[in-house]
Amino acid sequence: GAVVSQHPSRVICKSGTSVKIECRSLDFQATTMFWYRQFPKKSLMLMATSNEGSKATYEQGVEKDKFLINHASLTLSTLTVTSAHPEDSSFYICRSEGSMGEQFFGPGTRLTVL
Amino acid sequence: AQKVTQAQTEISVVEKEDVTLDCVYETRDTTYYLFWYKQPPSGELVFLIRRNSFDEQNEISGRYSWNFQKSTSSFNFTITASQVVDSAVYFCALSSGGAGGTSYGKLTFGQGTILTVHP
Repeated sequence: GAVVSQHPSRVICKSGTSVKIECRSLDFQATTMFWYRQFPKKSLMLMATSNEGSKATYEQGVEKDKFLINHASLTLSTLTVTSAHPEDSSFYICRSEGSMGEQFFGPGTRLTVL
Repeated sequence: AQKVTQAQTEISVVEKEDVTLDCVYETRDTTYYLFWYKQPPSGELVFLIRRNSFDEQNEISGRYSWNFQKSTSSFNFTITASQVVDSAVYFCALSSGGAGGTSYGKLTFGQGTILTVHP
């Protein structure tokens, strides 16, 4: 079956650096990608939605200049956390959705900013 | 606006007990979808079930069963004869579908219920 991978699975970085998280759909074409963040013991909060080849739509309160989303192809979407700070430490999860409604979550990326 | 409420923050049971996880939702849409996901300690979400708003039939899958009641806007999840491997965070989620009618679109998640099953 289809698999969605995320890379890296874990990343530790210094404050002020940028971190890129990749979400790849391995067996199907992801027409829509959803990015979520999850703080410890909290729910998943939607950050943004992107359609292949279009600009992402961000949820209220999410800084689009800080969380850059690129969905240039049907198999790859990236989330870049720019100038990361400790408060950006979180678990980031992508969800891929195909044109027929098939959907798969990525395994998540745990970001720790020192 | 859509909302999902999982009032039980944490539940602790002993193995072989039955346990029900509650989910109450709010939406103004007539067509919507309800989901349950399991999130084990690894973090990866595991899909358990999807229901659409026009299908109120209860469903059973092995030790899992779901009770969908539109009259009370609830979609409760019961695990029968719980096992230690059932220990995880369980999320209920709601969507009204995406553009074009063939996708599920945005998912609104509940706060999650931490289930701990003791041996």
